[in-house]
Amino acid sequence: GQSLEQPSEVTAVEGAIVQINCTYQTSGFYGLSWYQQHDGGAPTFLSYNALDGLEETGRFSSFLSRSDSYGYLLLQELQMKDSASYFCASYSSASKIIFGSGTRLSIRP
Amino acid sequence: DAGVTQSPTHLIKTRGQHVTLRCSPISGHKSVSWYQQVLGQGPQFIFQYYEKEERGRGNFPDRFSARQFPNYSSELNVNALLLGDSALYLCASSPHPDTGNLLYEQYFGPGTRLTVT
Repeated sequence: GQSLEQPSEVTAVEGAIVQINCTYQTSGFYGLSWYQQHDGGAPTFLSYNALDGLEETGRFSSFLSRSDSYGYLLLQELQMKDSASYFCASYSSASKIIFGSGTRLSIRP
Repeated sequence: DAGVTQSPTHLIKTRGQHVTLRCSPISGHKSVSWYQQVLGQGPQFIFQYYEKEERGRGNFPDRFSARQFPNYSSELNVNALLLGDSALYLCASSPHPDTGNLLYEQYFGPGTRLTVT
């Protein structure tokens, strides 16, 4: 079937680096996206990888390996405001846009 | 510029009733997509419309329907409501016609929280 798997929770310390992994099974793979959603808020787009490799946008980077059906989001210099849920998303010919179930990132001072 | 707007913000309905949710996209965007997000889960794709035509449909029953108007605003209709339809309904706007392009450019509205009792 079509699925995206990611850890349900991750905890990290302010100022540190954290990596959120996503493995996928989709047909007709287009690429992998990452979204951030604060409690009570709307998802906001962070990053997109269509090809293998690393995409960097400020403190956030995203990586994709199509041969391994795997990607990750890397958050550096963590700030308290980064506490949120993070979703990977992809495209499948069957279900169209699919999202993972989300990783809740908690940051400790 | 205004972002994506949705109405109402909250809604309480009874099982078996019908509901209509509304969305206005960002000015200049012709694509509107609808998602259902159950608490603790990721958004689930319901529909995408581009210039009034359905461009993508997720795995939802026929009780769910949508349409897009000439001004690109959209309505999501759900008939015969079930308890399991309780969720946050998100609308997203994009300038792109193809569903795959939504992966890298779509902007979500604040959502409508639907509670079915």
